Amino acid sequence: DQQVKQNSPSLSVQEGRISILNCDYTNSMFDYFLWYKKYPAEGPTFLISISSIKDKNEDGRFTVFLNKSAKHLSLHIVPSQPGDSAVYFCAAQTGNAGNNRKLIWGLGTSLAVNP
Amino acid sequence: KAGVTQTPRYLIKTRGQQVTLSCSPISGHRSVSWYQQTPGQGLQFLFEYFSETQRNKGNFPGRFSGRQFSNSRSEMNVSTLELGDSALYLCASSLGRATANYGYTFGSGTRLTVV
Repeated sequence: DQQVKQNSPSLSVQEGRISILNCDYTNSMFDYFLWYKKYPAEGPTFLISISSIKDKNEDGRFTVFLNKSAKHLSLHIVPSQPGDSAVYFCAAQTGNAGNNRKLIWGLGTSLAVNP
Repeated sequence: KAGVTQTPRYLIKTRGQQVTLSCSPISGHRSVSWYQQTPGQGLQFLFEYFSETQRNKGNFPGRFSGRQFSNSRSEMNVSTLELGDSALYLCASSLGRATANYGYTFGSGTRLTVV
């Protein structure tokens, strides 16, 4: 059972426009959400995160929005650049401080930014 | 500073064999987590080691095991390989316990192919 879902396997946008990547989750106990970006033949790299007590976090061109009532978060990239083309993973942290903390990952969305 | 180093990068094994993968975390990082990435299942958590002790374990059979050494380097072992074990194995290091607050840095992974 996928607790973190990225329902769009792929997304294509024009350079300069906004990219919106979506993520839905089922576990209301998740307390932290993260976005990672992955290029082929490389490991994922951290992009941005948000605590469950916030509804927005911004870092340069990247903004993450969290809607707890809808159990939905989204990553906005504005403006999109060709170098943003990668697979984007949404992840959620579960468990309490102790031995059962871990990240649950979505399956990823492949973003293509066309020049 | 050097990133997370995983060796080897590529590996081909036959069914029934065993394999050992290595991960050297970022200097000073004490937590190492292992993930399996497959196209259909995304990133699946295998286990986390901190201070040479396994702190957390995912839902994988006992054929998957790991350990961490006093210098924080970690190895994972898969015995009696099956075709379904073909995947990208990723290692992530973190300064403290592997939580979102500390952040994870991933290595480039080991691509294991079982034939």
